[in-house]
Amino acid sequence: EIVLTQAPGTLSLSPGERATLSCRASRSVSNFLAWYQHKVGQAPRLLIYGASSRAIGIPDRFSGSGSGTDFTLTISRLEPEDFAVYYCQQYGSSPRFGGGTKVEIK
Amino acid sequence: EVRLVQSGAEVKKPGEFLKISCKGSGYSFTDYWIAWVRHMPGKGLEWMGIFYPGDSSAKYSPSFQGQVTISADRSTPTVYLQWRSLKASDTAMYYCARQYGYCSGGNCSLNYWGQGTQVTVSS
Repeated sequence: EIVLTQAPGTLSLSPGERATLSCRASRSVSNFLAWYQHKVGQAPRLLIYGASSRAIGIPDRFSGSGSGTDFTLTISRLEPEDFAVYYCQQYGSSPRFGGGTKVEIK
Repeated sequence: EVRLVQSGAEVKKPGEFLKISCKGSGYSFTDYWIAWVRHMPGKGLEWMGIFYPGDSSAKYSPSFQGQVTISADRSTPTVYLQWRSLKASDTAMYYCARQYGYCSGGNCSLNYWGQGTQVTVSS
């Protein structure tokens, strides 16, 4: 079973700052890696699929990179609505989510 | 417009049976995998399993194999998640979600999500 480790657990930033979130897989998932945003009281929202492709309607301040075992989600300039929990998910085999990174207001 | 509408919140006792639902509309129901995802209070998202209505294939995460059953009724068209005997530890929000794009053998990313069904199990 492939384990996803997300870091950091919590990221404290101010609006306008850049956020860099990491997701590491215990073995290669090729580019079968997605990122989701999850806010309290809402369903998760797909941001990135295929490691680097933005889903429909996702602003271009969100970008994904990486392949194999190391992946990054970057939010270029944080907007107030971006403060949330972010999860990576691998779908190379036996899909699984990472533990999440909470992006909170500093 | 693609929509997944889930059944309402449930309050049950340990040992009881429960079946919650996820009704799809706005797309070809038999052509897309539907997954169930658990979110326990204060915890992360967990992939439970996934179902393909086209051929009734079901694949479960090892942690949930034997604990839940996923099924579907193509006529309604609805996907179900059921427990034969609930435990207090099943208390969580449960989401259904539809595959997005390329998906091989149930290994999918998910873009359309239901609103969630809160399940509370307490004596």
